[in-house]
Amino acid sequence: KAGVTQTPRYLIKTRGQQVTLSCSPISGHRSVSWYQQTPGQGLQFLFEYFSETQRNKGNFPGRFSGRQFSNSRSEMNVSTLELGDSALYLCASSLSGNYGYTFGSGTRLTVV
Amino acid sequence: EDKVVQSPLSLVVHEGDTVTLNCSYEVTNFRSLLWYKQEKKAPTFLFMLTSSGIEKKSGRLSSILDKKELFSILNITATQTGDSAVYLCAVESPQGGSEKLVFGKGTKLTVNP
Repeated sequence: KAGVTQTPRYLIKTRGQQVTLSCSPISGHRSVSWYQQTPGQGLQFLFEYFSETQRNKGNFPGRFSGRQFSNSRSEMNVSTLELGDSALYLCASSLSGNYGYTFGSGTRLTVV
Repeated sequence: EDKVVQSPLSLVVHEGDTVTLNCSYEVTNFRSLLWYKQEKKAPTFLFMLTSSGIEKKSGRLSSILDKKELFSILNITATQTGDSAVYLCAVESPQGGSEKLVFGKGTKLTVNP
């Protein structure tokens, strides 16, 4: 079965711009979680969506937002980009939000 | 604040060596502890541990959890160059009707031929 697909793979944006990242979960998985990975902070939880509802949110500013569609695909948006937003953004899908998380290959965002 | 601490942060060994990676945690709610291997980008699942004292094994890798002392170890025997990767420990913490994974910063393992 197809894995978790994240697009695009790479992005370069300028400070102040906004960006949208996409995640298509494994077929049948209804939960999608997003994580930010940086060398200094490691992997940090952003938010989790299940059946189009945000169920959990990490400690990130309101510039970070997301949504989930009826087909379980999810998008995350970062507005007013800052240099510190440069990171690898990973999404993970699971059947119900617990056990058996599968990660995508991530989107590498560089803010210049 | 939930916290997962891994040690060492990096490790360089020779092929054939045995390594032990450590993970300690402090979380409000605990459901399970997971180990992942990250080579390029996507972390790949290794083990899920929920009960103390029960060793999980997969080939040359094994892991065990101590819920009383709040730590886990990941052992790799007869290391190979293909084991070079960042090993991530995460605790699954139920919150607000769902789960989130709290990750440590990882241990970067380099296996030299």
